[in-house]
Parts: sequence; C-alpha cells; structure tokens
Amino acid sequence: NAGVTQTPKFQVLKTGQSMTLQCAQDMNHEYMSWYRQDPGMGLRLIHYSVGAGITDQGEVPNGYNVSRSTTEDFPLRLLSAAPSQTSVYFCASSYTPGSYEQYFGPGTRLTVT
Amino acid sequence: AQKVTQAQTEISVVEKEDVTLDCVYETRDTTYYLFWYKQPPSGELVFLIRRNSFDEQNEISGRYSWNFQKSTSSFNFTITASQVVDSAVYFCALSDGNAGKSTFGDGTTLTVKP
Repeated sequence: NAGVTQTPKFQVLKTGQSMTLQCAQDMNHEYMSWYRQDPGMGLRLIHYSVGAGITDQGEVPNGYNVSRSTTEDFPLRLLSAAPSQTSVYFCASSYTPGSYEQYFGPGTRLTVT
Repeated sequence: AQKVTQAQTEISVVEKEDVTLDCVYETRDTTYYLFWYKQPPSGELVFLIRRNSFDEQNEISGRYSWNFQKSTSSFNFTITASQVVDSAVYFCALSDGNAGKSTFGDGTTLTVKP
C-alpha cells in the first residue's frame, strides 16, 4: 500500500493564480480531510469528506473548494491564491469518521508570492 | 465547539529525563476520541495513541504512557527515559464521534539534548 499520497510536494504561486492539490489513498478509507499547518500552530481543518459525494466545511474553508467523486481521491482547489494561504497542507484519511486514527500524507509546501 | 489546549509550547530536557506533555480539552459531546500524534523534524505526522471517552484506562507502551482523566478533561502523555530521537512536535487532537471533525492543539515542541 502506498498509503496517502500528495502531489506536488512543493509549489510556488503568484497571487490570484489557481491550482489543485492532489490527494489519493489506497486503503479504502471512508473519511478524508485537508488541513493546513502554519508555523507555531497546530493543524486546522479546511474541508472533510465522510464518503464519496459528501463533503463539508471545516474550521478554515474560505478560499478552498473540494470534491469527492471517488473513495480514493480528494483534491483541494485554491480558487484565487493569496499570500495568507502560504502554508503546509496535509491530506489525511481514516477508516471511519472520528473514531479511528488518521493517516497523513507527506504534505505540500505552498508559497504564494 | 471543541477546543484542545497544549499549554507547553516548548520543553527542553536532557536525555534520560522523564517528561510529561499536557493536553486539556473541551467538548460538549458525550462520545469523543482523543489522539496523540508525533511530528519529527522530517515533517510527517505519525499516530501514537487513541482513546475513546468511555475508556479511562491508562496505557503504557514501552517508554510511553498516557493518563486520561475525564474529571479534569485531560489526556497527558509521558515519555520515560527520554532519548534524542524523541525530539519532535507532539500534537494532541480531539474528534467527535459522528461527523469526525478533528481539532488539534497547537503542539508542544520537545527537544531532548544528549
């Protein structure tokens, strides 16, 4: 099993550009989520999904869109990048929502200039 | 609303010392789950332990032990005889039992000096 994979590992965007961060898992997990990690802070939940076709907002959803068309994939779209979105982004998956531990991808380091 | 507080921002110890990382949580749910994760300098996040709200048994795993007390809403983590490889950021997290929304603390950076 590859576990949770994320691409790209690094990305530099200019303000106003859009892009999609890819996330995939091969463990047939129901639950997938996106977090951002800023220096000195914990992980903050952006969006999450409890199954294909179902998504919901987390703590900091503004400026981001998600979709879940398959169990395996959960892409995160930045609509119009802003410097405040400079962060490390982690995708995670879990067997079921809440009660099981999350498996995290390696992260994407995004810089918006 | 859920909240997780890790009051210790940074802790520095000398190898072989014992160290306890504090975690205090707030939730209105009766069913919830608590977790500890480790983030070493390489940046990945590694799961350490999970506890549900109905299981207050403390647990020991090698040099690691966890103390869950509902009466004080705390889920503390102790490393016995710390080693340099324990140097990392440690996160406490709280998850509800339904939608699965997780809240993380801001983390405690542990530095173990040789």
